[in-house]
Amino acid sequence: NAGVMQNPRHLVRRRGQEARLRCSPMKGHSHVYWYRQLPEEGLKFMVYLQKENIIDESGMPKERFSAEFPKEGPSILRIQQVVRGDSAAYFCASSPPGASKETQYFGPGTRLLVL
Amino acid sequence: GESVGLHLPTLSVQEGDNSIINCAYSNSASDYFIWYKQESGKGPQFIIDIRSNMDKRQGQRVTVLLNKTVKHLSLQIAATQPGDSAVYFCAENWGAQKLVFGQGTRLTINP
Repeated sequence: NAGVMQNPRHLVRRRGQEARLRCSPMKGHSHVYWYRQLPEEGLKFMVYLQKENIIDESGMPKERFSAEFPKEGPSILRIQQVVRGDSAAYFCASSPPGASKETQYFGPGTRLLVL
Repeated sequence: GESVGLHLPTLSVQEGDNSIINCAYSNSASDYFIWYKQESGKGPQFIIDIRSNMDKRQGQRVTVLLNKTVKHLSLQIAATQPGDSAVYFCAENWGAQKLVFGQGTRLTINP
């Protein structure tokens, strides 16, 4: 049973470039979440998606950040025109479908470094 | 509210002793809580969860206690082992599946 998969594991970008982070949820999971973690801090919620729908994007910066979870393929977190402050670890989590609250299982993360 | 901190609290215990990690949560309406373990360079790993209609839940070597009156959560690890060294986060579920994480506690094991 493959867990949540994220790639790349490490990503280096120069200021102004674009970063694309990919997340494949666990098999059978249709809910995907993105979180951001700065060193020595807890994870901060960014966005919650279901297939083809953004359910809650209350943690997403208003500009430069976008997320999608298409009908086919992985979820993508896209950061345009990256700045040094975007350097962080970005974690994806998934949970199975259902009305009740379910445990979120996390991937290994993508560590983004902006030079 | 959500926690922000530059230095994680640290708990040091002797190998074989019991560890107790505490967490104060912020939203009295939260009804689902999770403890995660995060090792260096890895993603958070699920340890144990508890719903608000319970005040105690036990797993293998771990116990979670929930005190809704004072909005306090604790994780007890029995017979701590070197492999338990990690940062431990509590998380509360704020409606619509959004998890809010606590500051985290770094657990170190002394041989």
